[in-house]
Amino acid sequence: ETGVTQTPRHLVMGMTNKKSLKCEQHLGHNAMYWYKQSAKKPLELMFVYSLEERVENNSVPSRFSPECPNSSHLFLHLHTLQPEDSALYLCASSQDGTGHYEQYFGPGTRLTVT
Amino acid sequence: AQSVAQPEDQVNVAEGNPLTVKCTYSVSGNPYLFWYVQYPNRGLQFLLKYITGDNLVKGSYGFEAEFNKSQTSFHLKKPSALVSDSALYFCAVREFLSGGYQKVTFGTGTKLQVIP
Repeated sequence: ETGVTQTPRHLVMGMTNKKSLKCEQHLGHNAMYWYKQSAKKPLELMFVYSLEERVENNSVPSRFSPECPNSSHLFLHLHTLQPEDSALYLCASSQDGTGHYEQYFGPGTRLTVT
Repeated sequence: AQSVAQPEDQVNVAEGNPLTVKCTYSVSGNPYLFWYVQYPNRGLQFLLKYITGDNLVKGSYGFEAEFNKSQTSFHLKKPSALVSDSALYFCAVREFLSGGYQKVTFGTGTKLQVIP
């Protein structure tokens, strides 16, 4: 266990559904991330929150909406997704500013869009 | 633009032999370099990092990596491979920009297969 939990672990949703992915870190870290991992493609950084403020948004479609209510929780709200959005969504956290910076990842949510 | 290259999709090595997984990078400033490992159906696990200081860094499970600034490389190494080392390995670089922004780029990953 890395101290980062993600729920659900698997999700199947239709293109018209609305769902949310949840991430919680128990490490006292000050930064959290969402990544998309697709087969045969590099790991894609989607969103970065540092001290609960978004500091990176890599031109992610608006059908993905992040929320960081506090330093321990991160959500990814999904609506009207496309089949190409099917992937493993990984959450990570890190303690920045103290010489650490390495990221600790959750197990991921396997998303299938039908 | 920041980039990371892992030139080998797969590396095969016999158990007990030394292994090397290659990584080269390109950043405009000072690089923060990382190696992660991913086992099937799991998230990525941190192995080791280079931020500053000694060019040879040691990490988890007997892995080490050497930062080479002139060759812009950060190859992952282990003196004696184990079958349990078989997994997907990712090199990553972080760059901190003005205004508090940051970029994180991962390589495409290298599958390590250790043959008994």
